[in-house]
Amino acid sequence: DTAVSQTPKYLVTQMGNDKSIKCEQNLGHDTMYWYKQDSKKFLKIMFSYNNKELIINETVPNRFSPKSPDKAHLNLHINSLELGDSAVYFCASSPFWGDEQFFGPGTRLTVL
Amino acid sequence: KNEVEQSPQNLTAQEGEFITINCSYSVGISALHWLQQHPGGGIVSLFMLSSGKKKHGRLIATINIQEKHSSLHITASHPRDSAVYICALNYGGATNKLIFGTGTLLAVQP
Repeated sequence: DTAVSQTPKYLVTQMGNDKSIKCEQNLGHDTMYWYKQDSKKFLKIMFSYNNKELIINETVPNRFSPKSPDKAHLNLHINSLELGDSAVYFCASSPFWGDEQFFGPGTRLTVL
Repeated sequence: KNEVEQSPQNLTAQEGEFITINCSYSVGISALHWLQQHPGGGIVSLFMLSSGKKKHGRLIATINIQEKHSSLHITASHPRDSAVYICALNYGGATNKLIFGTGTLLAVQP
């Protein structure tokens, strides 16, 4: 019954690897988001998709690529992982852009 | 200067106290969000405001668009209210931008 789910919850990997984080929402929402929360707990938006179309792409390295196969899914693929990518990544969804958001539980990524 | 500033950064209160957390911003917005992040890390949306006041249980959020200021109030605080409270701005319009405050860490002691 989880509204917004993310997998995996924890991800530990070596520098240089490629990894993906998956996000699914069963709320029927049109808009999905990816956020990064750094070690100082500061949240920053990375991407937003509305009806499978990219509408926000903040200044994120192009090693990060979002993919939305359908409205219910927004996956985040990261190439050539670096130490600075270590953070908690949150997925969220909202009925439409700018509306109240429902957050996933977060994925803690640790790059060694 | 940051576009969104929260105060205080840290707040310790005794159970039962009335708590106020403030958020000031310097840009035009379409809406303002208050979020709560629990010690375990989960984030919950508390309010989305574009004007006036909203109330949910012991939580009240107000916004003054002219003064570019919002407050989150907690009445009869309880230790389970201990969390980080985050203010976030929707720029709206064509920019589709979301900006987050640095959060207020609240600890309510029994």
